[in-house]
Amino acid sequence: ILNVEQSPQSLHVQEGDSTNFTCSFPSSNFYALHWYRWETAKSPEALFVMTLNGDEKKKGRISATLNTKEGYSYLYIKGSQPEDSATYLCASSNFGNEKLTFGTGTRLTIIP
Amino acid sequence: SAVISQKPSRDICQRGTSLTIQCQVDSQVTMMFWYRQQPGQSLTLIATANQGSEATYESGFVIDKFPISRPNLTFSTLTVSNMSPEDSSIYLCSAEGNGNTGELFFGEGSRLTVL
Repeated sequence: ILNVEQSPQSLHVQEGDSTNFTCSFPSSNFYALHWYRWETAKSPEALFVMTLNGDEKKKGRISATLNTKEGYSYLYIKGSQPEDSATYLCASSNFGNEKLTFGTGTRLTIIP
Repeated sequence: SAVISQKPSRDICQRGTSLTIQCQVDSQVTMMFWYRQQPGQSLTLIATANQGSEATYESGFVIDKFPISRPNLTFSTLTVSNMSPEDSSIYLCSAEGNGNTGELFFGEGSRLTVL
């Protein structure tokens, strides 16, 4: 994988349900994986920065895992709420070029 | 953390004109960046805005098209020159936090539509 890829591109989830989506990134020379939440008309907001294989991070109902050997990260949202509606971006960087490469995002819509 | 104010938030521009976007950070930051998100595409880094020297441009972006200023550690501007409809995008200013995580803080973006 040469680029950062996210799936699905968009997702509709019923309020109260849990959901997850995927970020795939180049595993060679990996340095860091970032997740951002971008709500409409607001600034993208950092959720997690992860660097170590097996890292798991949690912020409230949102958590993320990292597998640097196979080059993927999952973002989980438990008990979705309308305020979770946003585009979720992941980005990775590599040793020697620590600028972030972003995926195209997963657009999440929570249905009340 | 850093709070970033960006303006204009949106504009409709005529082909061939230029527009300057301003970015103000509420604290001194070392690294500031300019990104673009074209419709359906990922956030793409245009350049790193260097304080007191010329910006560092990524492949595919040139100073004549996207001149950048960074007069101090809290302010930067991006100009989109001689605009065409292909320049219709969201332009985002960002700054790296002063911790060691590499976390970025973003402005709210400037949505430009070129007719």
